[in-house]
Amino acid sequence: GNSVTQMEGPVTLSEEAFLTINCTYTATGYPSLFWYVQYPGEGLQLLLKATKADDKGSNKGFEATYRKETTSFHLEKGSVQVSDSAVYFCALSDQQGAQKLVFGQGTRLTINP
Amino acid sequence: KAGVTQTPRYLIKTRGQQVTLSCSPISGHRSVSWYQQTPGQGLQFLFEYFSETQRNKGNFPGRFSGRQFSNSRSEMNVSTLELGDSALYLCASSLGLADPGSQYFGPGTRLLVL
Repeated sequence: GNSVTQMEGPVTLSEEAFLTINCTYTATGYPSLFWYVQYPGEGLQLLLKATKADDKGSNKGFEATYRKETTSFHLEKGSVQVSDSAVYFCALSDQQGAQKLVFGQGTRLTINP
Repeated sequence: KAGVTQTPRYLIKTRGQQVTLSCSPISGHRSVSWYQQTPGQGLQFLFEYFSETQRNKGNFPGRFSGRQFSNSRSEMNVSTLELGDSALYLCASSLGLADPGSQYFGPGTRLLVL
């Protein structure tokens, strides 16, 4: 079946550091890929998405590129802020299944001032 | 536009009881999905409803069921509660095939089974 693997957390960085959170997937067909973020005490929010190979999703300074050859969708940000502290989830949706999301285990990110 | 709302936000039940959780999607969204979030298993898909029909189902026992009403509001029911059902239950709504996979989540209902 489809699956998503994220880098183990927690990740702790200083403000203005460069961020990479690795995500790889296993899927049949051509899934859409997503990054969701969960801030403390809040529900999940869609951060960015990419629906086909070589697409780049971006939002709030975060970027991720859909790499079919390496089955990866790594999340990056050039300069993180304290307010980016949250849990980040990589996910895929089987296009045929449409709304069924398969999530990675999540990566907790803490940014220190 | 109001976001996804879930009620109640917190719930405490005992083993063997049943529980019903409610979800009101964003206006205009016809697809509602439910997920269970636990520290051990992470986020797992329960089921999805679209226009009152269950369209997808995850790998959960039959004790977990749901339904959707004509106004797109959805309910999830868990019968014969077990300790392992303690979790955060998240509801998400979306436009459906118009924007596949892009879901808007509610704050969740935290269920504790004693």
